[in-house]
Amino acid sequence: EVYLAESGGGLVQPGRSQRLSCSASGFDFGDYAVSWFRQAPGKGLEWVAFIRNRGYGGTTEYAASVKDRFTISRDDSKSIAYLQMNRLTTEDTAVYFCAIDYYGSGSFDFWGQGTLVAVSS
Amino acid sequence: QSVMTQPPSASGTPGQRVTISCFGSHSNVGSNYVYWYQQLPPAAPKLLIYRSEKRQSGVPDRFSGSKSGASASLAISGLRSEDEADYYCAAWDDSVNGWVFGGGTKLTVL
Repeated sequence: EVYLAESGGGLVQPGRSQRLSCSASGFDFGDYAVSWFRQAPGKGLEWVAFIRNRGYGGTTEYAASVKDRFTISRDDSKSIAYLQMNRLTTEDTAVYFCAIDYYGSGSFDFWGQGTLVAVSS
Repeated sequence: QSVMTQPPSASGTPGQRVTISCFGSHSNVGSNYVYWYQQLPPAAPKLLIYRSEKRQSGVPDRFSGSKSGASASLAISGLRSEDEADYYCAAWDDSVNGWVFGGGTKLTVL
């Protein structure tokens, strides 16, 4: 069974760092690109970062709002993708989702359940 | 402010047809496929329409998507109470090399 699960969320102080994990099972993780999205309380969806699969060199893309602060990476041997978040601000408070294009839709058709990151002093 | 523009709200009565619009630009909707997601917060989004007009497996044929130029729309016919949710359009944007979303439309079934 295909499964994605985010972890690593919690309460963090402004200016600090947090690392999120997206753990996968039930498929060959290395064959799939992974993206992180977020949704601030009461707000819409926002794409955060994207990492291509090994066939495309694992290259990355970032939203302007997080570029130079967040880093997406992957460990295909462990079937995990990471989102390292540095210099966090209150505007980064959101539920963070990871997702893949499992069914070949060209977009993200399989999502984890999300993990909440709350940035507050 | 979102890169693509959706109406913040829409409504209809059971059985009606409702259309949700999504206006983008040449760098996103105008040159790439559009995707439509349904979300019942705090759950994760669910992909309804991919490549502008194809229904994801398991999605009722009451849902349909279309695109013309830099605008797209999601139509829901035979509206049902369980369709009450937030709907988002999304597309790859060549100018930012990333995915962009509409601001979302909250659909109310009266």
